Amino acid sequence: DIQMTQSPSSLSASVGDRVTITCQASQDISNFLNWYQQKPGKAPKILISDASNLETGVPSRFSGSGSGTDFTFTISSLQPEDIATYYCQQSDNLPLTFGGGTKVEI
Amino acid sequence: QVQLQQWGAGLLKPSETLSLNCGVYGGSLSGFYWTWIRQPPGKGLEWIGEINHLGGTNYNPSLKSRVTISVDTSKNQFSLRLSSVTAADTAVYYCARGRITYFWGQGTLVTVSS
Repeated sequence: DIQMTQSPSSLSASVGDRVTITCQASQDISNFLNWYQQKPGKAPKILISDASNLETGVPSRFSGSGSGTDFTFTISSLQPEDIATYYCQQSDNLPLTFGGGTKVEI
Repeated sequence: QVQLQQWGAGLLKPSETLSLNCGVYGGSLSGFYWTWIRQPPGKGLEWIGEINHLGGTNYNPSLKSRVTISVDTSKNQFSLRLSSVTAADTAVYYCARGRITYFWGQGTLVTVSS
């Protein structure tokens, strides 16, 4: 299985701050890396696919980059509605695997 | 707009079999993999497995001996069975579409307790 190591596991930031989350794969996954946002009691929502493809309707303050084994997810200006847990997921190999999550708080 | 609606028993005793169903509305089963993912309370996401409309399956090796995913194209739904459950199987179970999951069910909390 491909292990996804996500950091930090939690962070606290202020409204307007730039927030960065990293995700490292245990082997090369090219750009088959996706980012999800999950709010309490809700199913995850896809934000970014294929490392950097912003999904339709997702605010442009969210972005992703990276390839191979190292990936970054950024919120350029944190908003109150961004409070959530964020997960990376590799879709290169089965079984699909997720990072441990990053809980973003204000 | 595709919608997934899931249902099934939420309280099980150890050694029983978990059974969940997921109905797909507003779209066909064809052309996609249909997925089950679970999330223990307060923890992260675990991929259980997937099925396509032809019945082809892939399972997480960690659960493979206990998991069966099936599809009923006449009802446009797919199902999950997990046998010999223990407390470690307590989780919110989600059905979803695809390996990059754009559409999710509402989630079902399954609690295993004696």
